[in-house]
Amino acid sequence: QLQLQESGPGLVKPSETLSLTCTVSGGSISSSSYYWGWIRQPPGTGPEWIGSIYYSGSTYYNPSLKSRVTISVDTSKNQFSLKLSSVTAADTAVYYCARTSLGGLLDYWGQGTLVTVSS
Amino acid sequence: DIQMTQSPSSLSASVGDRVTITCRASQSITRYLNWYQQKPGKAPKLLIYAASSLQSGVPSRFSGSGSGTDFTLTISSLQPEDFATYYCQQSYSTPYTFGQGTKLEIK
Repeated sequence: QLQLQESGPGLVKPSETLSLTCTVSGGSISSSSYYWGWIRQPPGTGPEWIGSIYYSGSTYYNPSLKSRVTISVDTSKNQFSLKLSSVTAADTAVYYCARTSLGGLLDYWGQGTLVTVSS
Repeated sequence: DIQMTQSPSSLSASVGDRVTITCRASQSITRYLNWYQQKPGKAPKLLIYAASSLQSGVPSRFSGSGSGTDFTLTISSLQPEDFATYYCQQSYSTPYTFGQGTKLEIK
């Protein structure tokens, strides 16, 4: 059974960089059939797609965040990571990692991790 | 970006009721429409993909239809575990976008 697990600090100061890692177990991140993505959900609102990465390293980002986002992959560790720079309170959200299958459906999700931006 | 609009935003219904939720895209997305169920404190769960295909393990009381810009999610007979928030998501083009959600509550 495929599982995804987010990890990283739950509190980040304004203007600093948010860093999260998603560890994939029960399957290979190097599968040619899938992308691996990050989605966030501010309290009380719908999800927002942040971006996705293929095992080869090719990426797609949400233009609204593109200038601040970097997604990377480490196939040796079966992990992919998110960095979001210059954070503000508006970046406070639950951050999820998810597998993206052909057709763009998000079929496996991590449990999510709350990241709060506050001094 | 493609805007996704769901209606209604909230809905009260009883166990056994038939319920329909609507999602409209700001442009044609052919059949690249997915539906998710989210319960409090949990990640969204994929229910329907490609407008009408049932994800493995999802009960058959859930069904989806539509193409182009207008889509529906139908629950044929509500069960207690179905009370949750439902989101549509377009995967026609990046950035993928979600509807604002429909909260299904017990009447």
